[in-house]
This record gives sequence, C-alpha cells and structure tokens, in this order.
Amino acid sequence: QVQLVQSGAEVKKPGASVKVSCKASGYTFTSYGISWVRQAPGQGLEWMGWISAYNGNTNYAQKLQGRVTMTTDTSTSTAYMELRSLRSDDTAVYYCARDVGCSGGSCYSPYFDYWGQGTLVTVSS
Amino acid sequence: QSVLTQPPSVSGAPGQRVTISCTGSSSNIGAGYDVHWYQQLPGTAPKLLIYGNSNRPSGVPDRFSGSKSGTSASLAITGLQAEDEADYYCQSYDSSLRVFGGGTKLTVL
Repeated sequence: QVQLVQSGAEVKKPGASVKVSCKASGYTFTSYGISWVRQAPGQGLEWMGWISAYNGNTNYAQKLQGRVTMTTDTSTSTAYMELRSLRSDDTAVYYCARDVGCSGGSCYSPYFDYWGQGTLVTVSS
Repeated sequence: QSVLTQPPSVSGAPGQRVTISCTGSSSNIGAGYDVHWYQQLPGTAPKLLIYGNSNRPSGVPDRFSGSKSGTSASLAITGLQAEDEADYYCQSYDSSLRVFGGGTKLTVL
C-alpha cells in the first residue's frame, strides 16, 4: 500500500531554516512527483511547489521563490522540503503528497492521491 | 485570496443533499483543466475524494459526486451523515501551478 511518512514536529526561531522529509513506500518512487502543501492554523490549504522524482525538475509557488528548495533522494525514496529565513507566518502543518498527472515534462490537471501525515513547524522566538 | 472561490460554510440535516460550489476563471477551470476535491476531517490530513471532475477513488462512497461546467464545479453529497462533517477543498491547475479553493466547512445539523 502506498505510504508517505513525514519527519517529526519542529520548533524554529525566526530567521532559521527547516528541512522536512517525506519517505515514500508501496510504489515506484520515480514514477510520480511529490507536491508540498501547507496549512496555517485555522486556515486553508496552500500549495508550495512540486518536484519530479524522475528528474528533479521543480516548480515553486511564486510567493516562496528564493526561500524554498525541494529535493529527492531516489536511493531512499525520500523527498525533502527546505524552507529558509523562517517567519512567524510560516508556522503551519506541512504535508507532502503524491502528485499525479505529470509525464514527460508536461502536466495535465495534476492532483494528489496520497498524503503524508503532516509535520507541524512552529516558528517562534 | 484563493484562486478558486468556495463558500466558507454549508450545512444540512442527516439524510439531506448538499452541494459545494467552486468557481474559477478562464485560466483554470474555464481553460479545460480538471477539478479535484479533497475531504479533511478534523485533525487529519486531506484525503482525495473526487478526481478528474467526477471520478471517485476506490473506497469513496457513491454518495459523493462531482461535476463541472464552464468556469465552475460542484461537489454534491447525498444522504448526509454525521461523519461527513469536515472541510472540503477544490483544486485545479492554473499557469503551471496547482491551485486550491479556500475550503468549505460542512456542518451536519
């Protein structure tokens, strides 16, 4: 069965960086992409970006450009999301999700069919 | 401000039918991109409910259905049950970006 297991909760100070991991199992890792989605307390879902597990291509949300980096390690079927220069409004639950709908460099109406359990990142001085 | 617009809340009594709308524009839903729906129960990760406008993943009851027309889409839930109380999100594609609606809280009265 497909599973995405994320790393544990983090507490960071403003200006610091955080790196969240997402270990995939139950499918061929390089056949799908991974998207990262975050949810601030009491708020809706915000898509952060996507990475192809096949070739490492990325596509980030404009508001996070320059602060976020997504990578994968195909040897361990693990995806990573690093967010730098943390601010208090980065406090959120961060989810990884298997991204379906991209192939050969193009995407058609991608969606997320499996999700990780979420990682709470708290940014506080 | 979300790219896709959903009502903040809807409600219905057990057994009733409710619908949740998702309004986009000519650059996303109106451009022909599919709409997908997610259910988020309190304190849990979102779960895929409908994909490709109207398709249900295995295990999702047929009480849930989706449709799309023009620049909008709808999620319908029939035979409302207490366990359906959750937040619902629509999602589509716009300018190479995945976009979400702001979410709708469904209350079962």
